[in-house]
Amino acid sequence: IAGITQAPTSQILAAGRRMTLRCTQDMRHNAMYWYRQDLGLGLRLIHYSNTAGTTGKGEVPDGYSVSRANTDDFPLTLASAVPSQTSVYFCASSDSTSGGGNTQYFGPGTRLTVL
Amino acid sequence: GQNIDQPTEMTATEGAIVQINCTYQTSGFNGLFWYQQHAGEAPTFLSYNVLDGLEEKGRFSSFLSRSKGYSYLLLKELQMKDSASYLCACVDSNYQLIWGAGTKLIIKP
Repeated sequence: IAGITQAPTSQILAAGRRMTLRCTQDMRHNAMYWYRQDLGLGLRLIHYSNTAGTTGKGEVPDGYSVSRANTDDFPLTLASAVPSQTSVYFCASSDSTSGGGNTQYFGPGTRLTVL
Repeated sequence: GQNIDQPTEMTATEGAIVQINCTYQTSGFNGLFWYQQHAGEAPTFLSYNVLDGLEEKGRFSSFLSRSKGYSYLLLKELQMKDSASYLCACVDSNYQLIWGAGTKLIIKP
C-alpha cells in the first residue's frame, strides 16, 4: 500500500441499511479526516481525528460515526442510511494538526448512492 | 460566518495563461491551499500560502493578500491536461480546512 486506500470504490445501498466505509493510510500520519463532496458545494468535513484514540465532529456529522483504534485506520459508519447521504466520500490524512501548512492527502474516494 | 468564493467555471485556450481568483472570509486564518481535482479523482495538492506575495512553482503560481482576503492561482502555458477543477481552501483558527466549491477549468485547443 502506498498512501491512502478506501473501500469500497462505489456502493448502492438501500435506505435504512448500515454501511461502513473503510480508510487505511500507510504514511503514519497523525491526523485523518472524512469529507463528503456534493455537486456545487465545497468539500464538507464530517468527522476528524487528530491522533489515534481521539475523534471530533466536523461541519456535517449527523448520521455518521467514526472510530480511530489505531494510526492507520479510520472507518466511517452510516448507522441507517438516508438518500441525502448520497455523495462522494473522501478520506484524507495529514502529518500533524499543528501549524497551518500541513498538507492533506486524499484517498481515491467512495461513491455512495442511497436509494 | 465563513465563506470562500471562487468562479464556478472558466474557459481558456491551450498555450494561454489563466488566473483563478478566490476570496475568503474565515474565523481566523492560518494559510490558504490550492488543490487540483480531475473529474472522478481525488484532490491533489498544488500550493500553500501563508504570507503575502507570490509563490512560483513551475507553470503554476499562487498569490495571497491577507489584508484583502484574496488569493489567485495563475496557470501558464496551459495544456489540455490542466482541464480540471481547482479548489481553494483556507485554514481556520481551529486548523481545519474550509473549502470553496471549486472552479471548473475547461481548456480548448
